[in-house]
Amino acid sequence: AQTVTQSQPEMSVQEAETVTLSCTYDTSESDYYLFWYKQPPSRQMILVIRQEAYKQQNATENRFSVNFQKAAKSFSLKISDSQLGDAAMYFCAYRSTGNQFYFGTGTSLTVIP
Amino acid sequence: NAGVTQTPKFRILKIGQSMTLQCTQDMNHNYMYWYRQDPGMGLKLIYYSVGAGITDKGEVPNGYNVSRSTTEDFPLRLELAAPSQTSVYFCASKDLDEAKNIQYFGAGTRLSVL
Repeated sequence: AQTVTQSQPEMSVQEAETVTLSCTYDTSESDYYLFWYKQPPSRQMILVIRQEAYKQQNATENRFSVNFQKAAKSFSLKISDSQLGDAAMYFCAYRSTGNQFYFGTGTSLTVIP
Repeated sequence: NAGVTQTPKFRILKIGQSMTLQCTQDMNHNYMYWYRQDPGMGLKLIYYSVGAGITDKGEVPNGYNVSRSTTEDFPLRLELAAPSQTSVYFCASKDLDEAKNIQYFGAGTRLSVL
């Protein structure tokens, strides 16, 4: 089975600064998808960004971007110009060829005013 | 614009009771999923379905059952509830089209087994 590891249980960032959240995964598949989800206190899961493994170009969504290193099986999330509303749990997720999803244990992000 | 709807939002069960968590989606998605999220942890896949009449086990299926008689509905059944099943349960759906490779989540059901 695939595993997803988030080694930073907690991170903090000053408002307007940049923070990077780490994620590594283990798989023998060559075709898969990677995601970052945000979960605020409301518990609603919100998709932040996704990356197709066959694409070499890193995905970008406004202030959010990823650094996808396929050989290293690494998928980090960079949040630029951090805002108070970015404070939440962030989960890295892997979607297998068989459409099963595997989630990491999450990183709790605090944004300091 | 309902999306994925889960009921109930909260439930307290006694050990040994049974219940069904309801999930329905109005987006005509083929894929549906059930996850559990334990405190401080990520989501773990319980069961999933690729279409009506087809279901498969995920990582943690023991103690649960599912059915998929329609495209819209994917209920999760707990038989003989145990304290270890205390968790928040999320239902999600996804389109068959790979270009629309996004899971849509319900708001979750918080279940306590006492």
